[in-house]
Amino acid sequence: AQSVTQLDSHVSVSEGTPVLLRCNYSSSYSPSLFWYVQHPNKGLQLLLKYTSAATLVKGINGFEAEFKKSETSFHLTKPSAHMSDAAEYFCVVINTGGFKTIFGAGTRLFVKA
Amino acid sequence: ETGVTQSPTHLIKTRGQQVTLRCSSQSGHNTVSWYQQALGQGPQFIFQYYREEENGRGNFPPRFSGLQFPNYSSELNVNALELDDSALYLCASSPAAGGGAWETQYFGPGTRLLVL
Repeated sequence: AQSVTQLDSHVSVSEGTPVLLRCNYSSSYSPSLFWYVQHPNKGLQLLLKYTSAATLVKGINGFEAEFKKSETSFHLTKPSAHMSDAAEYFCVVINTGGFKTIFGAGTRLFVKA
Repeated sequence: ETGVTQSPTHLIKTRGQQVTLRCSSQSGHNTVSWYQQALGQGPQFIFQYYREEENGRGNFPPRFSGLQFPNYSSELNVNALELDDSALYLCASSPAAGGGAWETQYFGPGTRLLVL
């Protein structure tokens, strides 16, 4: 069975400081992993995806994530937060060759001026 | 290129009624997935359609059903509405053949359903 756990429901950072959003996954197969962002009243937007190529994945808007199989983690980071990063972030897993998409519960990122 | 669109944007129904939600895929996409997102939660996978056939289903009862049309647009039908069906319903399309995991899903803005 596959599952996704986002370890923090809320994260608050100051503008210009680093962002770390944590995600652990469980999968019986080689997973594909994604991070999506959801701004209020807007659709989900893909930030980045891991599909068994490089373990360090770079995404849009300066975000990146590192796939660590030994820790079953796929944490999302950004060196310097911007006010526009305030949103809900979802970690997502899909088993390779599968169809069922599993979303984490989400992490709400607050950015203080 | 037109993105994924959904209609209506908002809907209010009463318990026991039936509802149909619509989704137009992004051009060139042949796979559509539907999700339910309750307030404060992550989206939950309902089912996926590939070339007009259901390709997989999540843990939702049979009163949740769907269709995909030859132009790859899709409908989500919910019968016998319950209060807990109140949620944001998201449609996502992808160009994946058979729903390959490596393909990105492109999400629509959603339909917010309120059941009274």
